[in-house]
Amino acid sequence: DAGVTQSPTHLIKTRGQQVTLRCSPKSGHDTVSWYQQALGQGPQFIFQYYEEEERQRGNFPDRFSGHQFPNYSSELNVNALLLGDSALYLCASTVWGTAGANVLTFGAGSRLTVL
Amino acid sequence: DQQVKQNSPSLSVQEGRISILNCDYTNSMFDYFLWYKKYPAEGPTFLISISSIKDKNEDGRFTVFLNKSAKHLSLHIVPSQPGDSAVYFCAASANLNRDGLTFGKGTHLIIQP
Repeated sequence: DAGVTQSPTHLIKTRGQQVTLRCSPKSGHDTVSWYQQALGQGPQFIFQYYEEEERQRGNFPDRFSGHQFPNYSSELNVNALLLGDSALYLCASTVWGTAGANVLTFGAGSRLTVL
Repeated sequence: DQQVKQNSPSLSVQEGRISILNCDYTNSMFDYFLWYKKYPAEGPTFLISISSIKDKNEDGRFTVFLNKSAKHLSLHIVPSQPGDSAVYFCAASANLNRDGLTFGKGTHLIIQP
Protein backbone atom coordinates (compact mmCIF):
# COMPACT_ATOMS: atom_id res chain seq x y z
CA ASP A 1 0.00 0.00 0.00
CA ALA A 2 1.74 3.15 -1.24
CA GLY A 3 1.83 6.03 1.17
CA VAL A 4 1.95 9.68 0.16
CA THR A 5 4.21 10.20 -2.84
CA GLN A 6 5.70 13.54 -3.85
CA SER A 7 7.64 14.72 -6.87
CA PRO A 8 10.18 15.97 -7.57
CA THR A 9 12.32 15.15 -4.54
CA HIS A 10 14.76 17.98 -5.16
CA LEU A 11 14.76 21.00 -7.43
CA ILE A 12 16.64 24.25 -7.87
CA LYS A 13 15.06 27.44 -9.20
CA THR A 14 16.11 31.05 -9.50
CA ARG A 15 14.37 34.09 -8.04
CA GLY A 16 11.29 35.14 -9.97
CA GLN A 17 10.66 31.72 -11.47
CA GLN A 18 7.61 29.56 -10.89
CA VAL A 19 7.50 26.02 -9.52
CA THR A 20 4.94 23.21 -9.42
CA LEU A 21 5.13 20.41 -6.89
CA ARG A 22 3.01 17.27 -7.10
CA CYS A 23 1.49 14.92 -4.55
CA SER A 24 -0.46 11.67 -4.63
CA PRO A 25 -2.28 10.92 -1.38
CA LYS A 26 -2.28 7.62 0.42
CA SER A 27 -4.74 5.12 -1.03
CA GLY A 28 -8.21 5.73 0.46
CA HIS A 29 -7.46 9.31 1.48
CA ASP A 30 -9.43 12.20 -0.03
CA THR A 31 -7.98 15.27 1.67
CA VAL A 32 -4.59 16.79 0.92
CA SER A 33 -2.69 19.45 2.87
CA TRP A 34 0.55 21.22 2.08
CA TYR A 35 3.14 22.35 4.60
CA GLN A 36 6.34 24.36 4.31
CA GLN A 37 9.25 23.41 6.54
CA ALA A 38 12.09 25.90 6.62
CA LEU A 39 15.47 24.88 8.01
CA GLY A 40 15.35 24.48 11.79
CA GLN A 41 11.59 25.07 11.93
CA GLY A 42 8.52 22.91 12.25
CA PRO A 43 6.18 22.40 9.31
CA GLN A 44 3.92 25.39 8.65
CA PHE A 45 0.42 24.91 7.20
CA ILE A 46 -0.09 26.35 3.71
CA PHE A 47 -3.53 25.07 2.69
CA GLN A 48 -5.84 22.09 2.55
CA TYR A 49 -7.88 20.67 -0.33
CA TYR A 50 -10.99 18.53 -0.22
CA GLU A 51 -13.43 17.84 -3.05
CA GLU A 52 -11.19 19.89 -5.34
CA GLU A 53 -11.69 23.03 -3.29
CA GLU A 54 -9.37 24.92 -0.98
CA ARG A 55 -10.94 24.46 2.44
CA GLN A 56 -8.50 26.17 4.75
CA ARG A 57 -5.47 28.39 4.25
CA GLY A 58 -2.60 29.34 6.50
CA ASN A 59 -0.73 32.63 6.55
CA PHE A 60 0.80 32.44 3.07
CA PRO A 61 0.61 35.01 0.25
CA ASP A 62 -1.37 34.52 -2.94
CA ARG A 63 1.83 33.52 -4.73
CA PHE A 64 1.11 30.12 -3.24
CA SER A 65 -1.74 28.37 -4.98
CA GLY A 66 -2.91 24.83 -5.36
CA HIS A 67 -5.18 22.44 -7.06
CA GLN A 68 -6.77 19.09 -6.36
CA PHE A 69 -7.76 16.73 -9.12
CA PRO A 70 -10.69 14.28 -9.26
CA ASN A 71 -8.34 11.40 -8.36
CA TYR A 72 -7.46 13.34 -5.14
CA SER A 73 -3.90 14.13 -6.22
CA SER A 74 -2.76 17.69 -5.75
CA GLU A 75 -0.36 20.33 -6.99
CA LEU A 76 1.27 23.22 -5.18
CA ASN A 77 2.29 26.19 -7.33
CA VAL A 78 4.53 29.00 -6.19
CA ASN A 79 4.95 32.06 -8.41
CA ALA A 80 7.60 34.79 -8.35
CA LEU A 81 9.94 32.74 -6.20
CA LEU A 82 11.86 34.47 -3.42
CA LEU A 83 15.00 33.30 -1.68
CA GLY A 84 12.89 32.78 1.44
CA ASP A 85 10.79 30.17 -0.35
CA SER A 86 13.69 27.75 -0.07
CA ALA A 87 12.33 24.96 2.12
CA LEU A 88 11.10 21.40 2.31
CA TYR A 89 7.52 21.22 1.05
CA LEU A 90 5.54 18.44 2.65
CA CYS A 91 2.30 16.99 1.40
CA ALA A 92 -0.01 15.20 3.83
CA SER A 93 -3.24 13.31 3.36
CA THR A 94 -6.14 12.10 5.47
CA VAL A 95 -9.81 11.18 5.25
CA TRP A 96 -12.20 14.09 5.61
CA GLY A 97 -14.68 14.11 8.46
CA THR A 98 -13.50 11.03 10.29
CA ALA A 99 -12.48 10.74 13.91
CA GLY A 100 -8.88 10.32 12.81
CA ALA A 101 -8.88 13.20 10.33
CA ASN A 102 -6.26 15.11 12.28
CA VAL A 103 -3.81 12.24 11.99
CA LEU A 104 -2.03 13.19 8.80
CA THR A 105 0.11 10.89 6.71
CA PHE A 106 3.07 12.79 5.30
CA GLY A 107 5.17 12.29 2.22
CA ALA A 108 8.95 12.60 2.23
CA GLY A 109 8.76 16.10 0.78
CA SER A 110 10.13 18.13 -2.10
CA ARG A 111 13.28 20.09 -1.30
CA LEU A 112 13.16 23.46 -3.12
CA THR A 113 16.26 25.64 -3.34
CA VAL A 114 15.86 29.17 -4.72
CA LEU A 115 19.07 30.86 -5.91
CA ASP B 1 4.03 34.38 17.58
CA GLN B 2 4.66 30.73 18.29
CA GLN B 3 1.53 28.98 19.50
CA VAL B 4 3.29 25.66 20.03
CA LYS B 5 6.68 25.74 21.68
CA GLN B 6 9.29 23.05 22.13
CA ASN B 7 11.96 24.75 24.17
CA SER B 8 14.57 22.01 24.02
CA PRO B 9 16.20 21.85 20.57
CA SER B 10 17.98 18.65 21.56
CA LEU B 11 17.94 15.97 24.23
CA SER B 12 20.44 13.20 24.89
CA VAL B 13 19.31 10.08 26.79
CA GLN B 14 21.03 6.82 27.57
CA GLU B 15 19.62 3.67 26.01
CA GLY B 16 17.16 1.95 28.35
CA ARG B 17 16.34 5.13 30.27
CA ILE B 18 13.21 7.27 30.02
CA SER B 19 13.05 10.07 27.45
CA ILE B 20 10.77 12.99 28.28
CA LEU B 21 9.99 15.53 25.58
CA ASN B 22 8.06 18.65 26.49
CA CYS B 23 5.71 20.95 24.62
CA ASP B 24 3.86 24.11 25.63
CA TYR B 25 1.02 25.84 23.82
CA THR B 26 -0.65 29.22 24.10
CA ASN B 27 -3.87 28.85 22.12
CA SER B 28 -6.66 27.73 24.47
CA MET B 29 -8.73 26.70 21.44
CA PHE B 30 -6.44 23.75 20.72
CA ASP B 31 -8.33 20.56 21.50
CA TYR B 32 -6.26 17.83 19.88
CA PHE B 33 -2.55 17.20 20.19
CA LEU B 34 -0.21 14.94 18.28
CA TRP B 35 3.42 13.85 18.32
CA TYR B 36 5.27 13.12 15.10
CA LYS B 37 8.70 11.58 14.65
CA LYS B 38 10.95 12.49 11.72
CA TYR B 39 14.02 10.72 10.44
CA PRO B 40 16.37 12.51 7.97
CA ALA B 41 15.14 12.42 4.37
CA GLU B 42 11.74 11.09 5.43
CA GLY B 43 8.41 12.73 6.13
CA PRO B 44 7.07 13.06 9.68
CA THR B 45 5.49 9.86 10.97
CA PHE B 46 2.55 9.91 13.37
CA LEU B 47 3.42 8.57 16.80
CA ILE B 48 0.64 9.20 19.30
CA SER B 49 -2.15 11.70 19.96
CA ILE B 50 -4.41 12.90 22.74
CA SER B 51 -7.72 14.67 22.87
CA SER B 52 -8.27 17.54 25.29
CA ILE B 53 -10.90 15.48 27.12
CA LYS B 54 -8.16 13.13 28.32
CA ASP B 55 -5.04 13.69 30.38
CA LYS B 56 -3.13 10.58 29.38
CA ASN B 57 -2.83 8.27 26.41
CA GLU B 58 -0.57 5.26 26.22
CA ASP B 59 0.62 3.16 23.30
CA GLY B 60 3.32 0.63 24.06
CA ARG B 61 6.51 2.41 25.07
CA PHE B 62 4.97 5.83 24.34
CA THR B 63 2.78 7.83 26.72
CA VAL B 64 1.53 11.36 26.23
CA PHE B 65 0.40 13.45 29.18
CA LEU B 66 -1.73 16.58 28.86
CA ASN B 67 -2.03 19.28 31.52
CA LYS B 68 -4.67 21.66 30.20
CA SER B 69 -4.44 24.15 33.05
CA ALA B 70 -0.71 24.56 32.41
CA LYS B 71 -1.13 24.29 28.62
CA HIS B 72 1.59 21.70 28.64
CA LEU B 73 2.03 18.25 27.22
CA SER B 74 4.84 15.75 27.39
CA LEU B 75 5.85 12.58 25.59
CA HIS B 76 7.44 9.80 27.62
CA ILE B 77 9.37 7.02 25.91
CA VAL B 78 10.38 4.12 28.10
CA PRO B 79 12.63 2.30 27.68
CA SER B 80 14.46 4.42 25.10
CA GLN B 81 15.96 2.52 22.17
CA PRO B 82 18.56 3.50 19.55
CA GLY B 83 15.87 3.58 16.85
CA ASP B 84 14.12 6.34 18.80
CA SER B 85 16.85 8.79 17.77
CA ALA B 86 14.98 11.29 15.58
CA VAL B 87 13.42 14.74 15.60
CA TYR B 88 10.12 14.83 17.49
CA PHE B 89 7.47 17.40 16.64
CA CYS B 90 4.58 18.40 18.85
CA ALA B 91 1.50 19.52 16.91
CA ALA B 92 -1.92 20.89 17.83
CA SER B 93 -5.27 21.37 16.17
CA ALA B 94 -8.15 23.70 17.03
CA ASN B 95 -10.97 22.04 15.17
CA LEU B 96 -11.42 18.75 13.40
CA ASN B 97 -10.65 19.25 9.72
CA ARG B 98 -11.13 22.99 9.92
CA ASP B 99 -7.59 24.10 10.64
CA GLY B 100 -4.20 22.84 9.72
CA LEU B 101 -1.93 21.45 12.36
CA THR B 102 0.29 23.93 14.19
CA PHE B 103 3.73 22.48 14.83
CA GLY B 104 6.52 23.25 17.25
CA LYS B 105 10.11 23.56 16.06
CA GLY B 106 10.98 20.05 17.14
CA THR B 107 13.33 18.36 19.60
CA HIS B 108 16.22 16.26 18.35
CA LEU B 109 16.35 13.16 20.58
CA ILE B 110 19.66 11.32 20.66
CA ILE B 111 19.76 7.90 22.30
CA GLN B 112 23.26 7.03 23.44
CA PRO B 113 24.39 3.38 23.79
